[in-house]
Amino acid sequence: GNSVTQMEGPVTLSEEAFLTINCTYTATGYPSLFWYVQYPGEGLQLLLKATKADDKGSNKGFEATYRKETTSFHLEKGSVQVSDSAVYFCARSGGSNYKLTFGKGTLLTVNP
Amino acid sequence: KAGVTQTPRYLIKTRGQQVTLSCSPISGHRSVSWYQQTPGQGLQFLFEYFSETQRNKGNFPGRFSGRQFSNSRSEMNVSTLELGDSALYLCASSSGTYQETQYFGPGTRLLVL
Repeated sequence: GNSVTQMEGPVTLSEEAFLTINCTYTATGYPSLFWYVQYPGEGLQLLLKATKADDKGSNKGFEATYRKETTSFHLEKGSVQVSDSAVYFCARSGGSNYKLTFGKGTLLTVNP
Repeated sequence: KAGVTQTPRYLIKTRGQQVTLSCSPISGHRSVSWYQQTPGQGLQFLFEYFSETQRNKGNFPGRFSGRQFSNSRSEMNVSTLELGDSALYLCASSSGTYQETQYFGPGTRLLVL
């Protein structure tokens, strides 16, 4: 079936450091790919998405490129802030139903 | 536009009881999906409703059920609660088009004692 694998962390960085969170997905069908962020005590917020190969999603300084050849959708940010501390989820849609399949989430902590 | 709303935000129940959670989607959205989030299993898909019909279902026991009303609001019900049902239940809405973005509510945190 469909699956998403992401680095589980936790990841701890200093403010202004470079962030990469790896995500790979099963290549079944033609999925759309998403990154969601969850702040403590809240639901999931859409961070960015890409709907086809070579698309780059971007938002709030975060970027991810849909790589079909490596089945990857790695999240990057050039300079993280303390306010970026949260759990990040990679997800794919597609297949025979309308559900999202999520990775296990990566806890990011950014220290001042 | 108002976002997805879920009520109640917190619930405490005891084993054997039943519970009903409510979700109001973004205006104009016809699809509502439900997910269970636990530390051990992560985010798992429960079911999805579109235009009052269950369109997809995850691998959960029959104790978990849902419905959708004509105004697209949805409810999910869990009967005969077990300790393992303690979780954050998230509702997401979308237009219902294939692979369209899902927008999540804040969730209902259920604690079963």
